[in-house]
Parts: sequence; C-alpha cells; structure tokens
Amino acid sequence: GDSVTQMEGPVTLSEEAFLTINCTYTATGYPSLFWYVQYPGEGLQLLLKATKADDKGSNKGFEATYRKETTSFHLEKGSVQVSDSAVYFCALSDPPVTGNQFYFGTGTSLTVIP
Amino acid sequence: NAGVTQTPKFQVLKTGQSMTLQCAQDMNHEYMSWYRQDPGMGLRLIHYSVGAGITDQGEVPNGYNVSRSTTEDFPLRLLSAAPSQTSVYFCASSRTGSGNEQFFGPGTRLTVL
Repeated sequence: GDSVTQMEGPVTLSEEAFLTINCTYTATGYPSLFWYVQYPGEGLQLLLKATKADDKGSNKGFEATYRKETTSFHLEKGSVQVSDSAVYFCALSDPPVTGNQFYFGTGTSLTVIP
Repeated sequence: NAGVTQTPKFQVLKTGQSMTLQCAQDMNHEYMSWYRQDPGMGLRLIHYSVGAGITDQGEVPNGYNVSRSTTEDFPLRLLSAAPSQTSVYFCASSRTGSGNEQFFGPGTRLTVL
C-alpha cells in the first residue's frame, strides 16, 4: 500500500543554517505530495504541495521538488529562522477513488537556536 | 470563515466512559476525516467520510464510531474509553480528489485514566 518515510528527528540547527528534511514515498498510482507544519499546541497547516512529477512547491522560503525517479519530496530551506521551529510532516494524497485519503510520515521536529 | 472547528479542546475521561468529539467545517467540503496523533507515529486515520451519509474506516477504527448526517458536521464517538485512546485527535476536511489540501482543526487532547 501507499506509505511515506520521513527523516527521523529531532533536528537542531543554528539560525541561518541550511535545512534538509528527507521524505520518500511508496505509491501505486500518481499521488500528490505535501509538506505540513505543526507549531506547538496547534493543528497542521499546509506548507507547500506538488501535484505531478518535476513540480516544485514553495512557500515562506521552503522548497520541495516532486522526484518520481527517486520517489522523493525532500524539504529544503536556505536559511532557517527561530520562528521555523516546529514539527514538519510529509504526506501523500491517494488518487480520487478513496475521496482524498492522506498518508503521513511520522514527523520531524525542528528546533532552531539563535 | 471559521474553517474547521473542534470541541472540546481538552478532555479527561475515566476508563469505560463514553463521549463525543465534535467537528464542524464551513467550507462546504465533501471529504472529512478523523486522525489521532501519537508520539513517534505521526497521524493515523481513524474514519473518513466522502459526503453526507457515507462513512468508512481508516487504519485504526476500533473503539470509535462516526456518522455524517450533514455536510458540515462529523462527530467522533468513543464508545467505552480505554487508556490506549489517550491521544490528540484532529479533524480535517477537504474537497474530494487528489491534490486538494486538507484543512485541520486545532485538535482535542484526550486523556483516559
């Protein structure tokens, strides 16, 4: 079945460091891919998404490219800020037969220190 | 728009008690779902619905019931609470079809003693 494997955390970086969080997926069809962010005590918010191979999603300085050949959707940011401290979830969306079922990775906790 | 709302925000139950977690959305979304979030396990799907009157089981449905009588509301019922159901519960909604963002509520933190 469909699944998402995400880089284990926690990750601690200094402000202005480069961030990469790895995400790979297994899917039988042609999924859409997402990154969600969860700040302490809150629900998940969409960070970015890509709906087909070679698409690049971007938002707030974060980027991820849908790589079908390596089944990956790694999250990157060139210069992290303290305000980026949160838990990041990679997810895929199954084709429409099940409505819009999502499969989530286990989450990666990021702490950025000044 | 309020988006997705959930009540209560916190709840403590004793083993064997029942309760209903409320979820509502005002975006006219067909698809609604319930997840539980546990440390190290990400989000796991409990139940979902593709429209009023239509529900189905997710990955971890045991001990939970749902119904969908209106497009807006999707309550989750715990029939007889167990300590293993201590978790944070999130409701989400979206339009149907791959590629559509799921919108999440703020969550309900449930503790079963």
